[in-house]
Order: sequence, then C-alpha cells, then structure tokens
Amino acid sequence: KAGVTQTPRYLIKTRGQQVTLSCSPISGHRSVSWYQQTPGQGLQFLFEYFSETQRNKGNFPGRFSGRQFSNSRSEMNVSTLELGDSALYLCASSLAEGDNEKLFFGSGTQLSVL
Amino acid sequence: AQKVTQAQTEISVVEKEDVTLDCVYETRDTTYYLFWYKQPPSGELVFLIRRNSFDEQNEISGRYSWNFQKSTSSFNFTITASQVVDSAVYFCALSRAGNNRKLIWGLGTSLAVNP
Repeated sequence: KAGVTQTPRYLIKTRGQQVTLSCSPISGHRSVSWYQQTPGQGLQFLFEYFSETQRNKGNFPGRFSGRQFSNSRSEMNVSTLELGDSALYLCASSLAEGDNEKLFFGSGTQLSVL
Repeated sequence: AQKVTQAQTEISVVEKEDVTLDCVYETRDTTYYLFWYKQPPSGELVFLIRRNSFDEQNEISGRYSWNFQKSTSSFNFTITASQVVDSAVYFCALSRAGNNRKLIWGLGTSLAVNP
C-alpha cells in the first residue's frame, strides 16, 4: 500500500508569490491534516479536512488555505508569501474512524521563500 | 491551554546505552491522548505509540518502553540498548478527546546514537 505522497519535495519562491502544495493520502484514508514545521516554532497544526470539509483549523492567517477533493487528495495554498513562511509542510492522513487515531505522515514539502 | 515540553533538546549516547527521553504535558482536560512520533532524516514522522489519559499502564514494545504518570504529567520514553538506527528526532504530542487530528507538539529531542 502506497504511503502518503507529497509533491513537490522542494520549492523555492520569492516574497509575494503564492504556492500550492499537494498531498495524496493513503488509499482509503478520509482525513487529511496539514502541519507546518520550523526550527523555532516546531510543529504547528494548520488545518484538517474530512470528506471535502474543513473540520478543524489552527491559528494561521487567512493567507493559508486548503481544500480536499472527492478522492481525498488535498491541496494547501499560501498566498502573498512571506519570509517567515519558509518551513517544512507536512501532510498526514488517517482513516478517521476512531478517536484520536494515529496519523500517517508524508515526507513533506520543503518551502523556501527568498 | 495545552502545552508539551521536551526539555532535552539534544542527547548523544554510545550504542547499547539506555536512553530516556522526557515529556511533560499540561492540560485541563480529563480525557486526552498522548503520542510519540519519530522523525528520521528523511523527514517523515513515524507513529510510535498512543496512550489515552485513562490508561496509565506502562507499555513495552521490543527495545522501546513508555512510562505514563498522570501525577507528574509525564510520558517518558526509554530506548534500551540503543542502536545507530535509533538516531532521529523524537516528538511527544498531546491531543484533546474527540475525532481530533489537531496535535500539540513538543519541540522534539534530537537523539544521536554513535557507534
């Protein structure tokens, strides 16, 4: 069974641009969560999607948005990039059938904003 | 507010030594979940264990063991007879009850196991 796939693996953008990151969950998984990882702040929850609906949201500005498609694949978008958006963006999927079940993570997209 | 503290930023041991990674959490909830994840250099976080707040039994899985103590709000992780392949960053995390994928993470402990 294929794991969680995130594309692209690396991305370099300049301030003010926008970026879209993609995540394909494990087959059969209906929940996709996104996390931002930086050396200073660690791992921070961005949002979770389940059945194409955002179910939970972290404390990030509206420049960060996401969506989920009917096949459970998810994208996240960051508009008007800032230097502080440089981070590893991790996607995680789960079956969403139980309570606080374990997450399966992808290898992430390393975003550098210049 | 919920918070997870991993006071040890980096630990370096020699192969075959035992090592304990500390995790202290804060929450006002009576029902909550605690997790440990491992992040090798590849970047992909790997699930190690989940524990709910009503289950204080210690758990052992091969060379790994976990000590959950509600009285001290700690959920420590011990690796016995460490190996080079254990080198990674280890994260402790906390979540509220419910169908909740929003984890609150510690900053991680970087473990280096040297041959």
